[in-house]
Amino acid sequence: DGGITQSPKYLFRKEGQNVTLSCEQNLNHDAMYWYRQDPGQGLRLIYYSQIVNDFQKGDIAEGYSVSREKKESFPLTVTSAQKNPTAFYLCASSIGALGANVLTFGAGSRLTVL
Amino acid sequence: KQEVTQIPAALSVPEGENLVLNCSFTDSAIYNLQWFRQDPGKGLTSLLLIQSSQREQTSGRLNASLDKSSGRSTLYIAASQPGDSATYLCAVLNNNDMRFGAGTRLTVKP
Repeated sequence: DGGITQSPKYLFRKEGQNVTLSCEQNLNHDAMYWYRQDPGQGLRLIYYSQIVNDFQKGDIAEGYSVSREKKESFPLTVTSAQKNPTAFYLCASSIGALGANVLTFGAGSRLTVL
Repeated sequence: KQEVTQIPAALSVPEGENLVLNCSFTDSAIYNLQWFRQDPGKGLTSLLLIQSSQREQTSGRLNASLDKSSGRSTLYIAASQPGDSATYLCAVLNNNDMRFGAGTRLTVKP
């Protein structure tokens, strides 16, 4: 089945630790995105990538980093610089630019800082 | 900057009822609007995509309308079922920038 796989589903982090969330897609989509979802708020864009080896900051990139070394993979690292990292993180992809294409989402990863 | 609002934040209806979910946006120069469904602890599933030149889209019991001039979209669900219980989010695209509403949490009671 084609889709987006996020792992781990649940992750606990101690303060001061970096953690990496995995996002893998087998849809052959060019564009990939990372969103953060907090209760009572809309999704907010962290980073996006339109092609391999290129990515752009979204609205809330501070404290996060990404890489896009392969078309199918777009891992997100939550660094110790992110002061309030507890949230639900969603990875998404689209065939091309968002204009005429729907977003396909993964099942999400819930990060909790202890 | 585009702002997307969904009211109400939560809605509870008895099974079989027809219902309307609302989405409003501040900048009418949109490219498209999408409605998504999200089950608890899960990702989002795209339900309907309306391009700016369209007035509505239909899929089964779902009908989404778009009125750009008033900055509004509605999602109509006919003959609601308990399986429709979920959070419904709308998202608006301007200049390759997509903005999401906070969603309406729908509960359909048997």
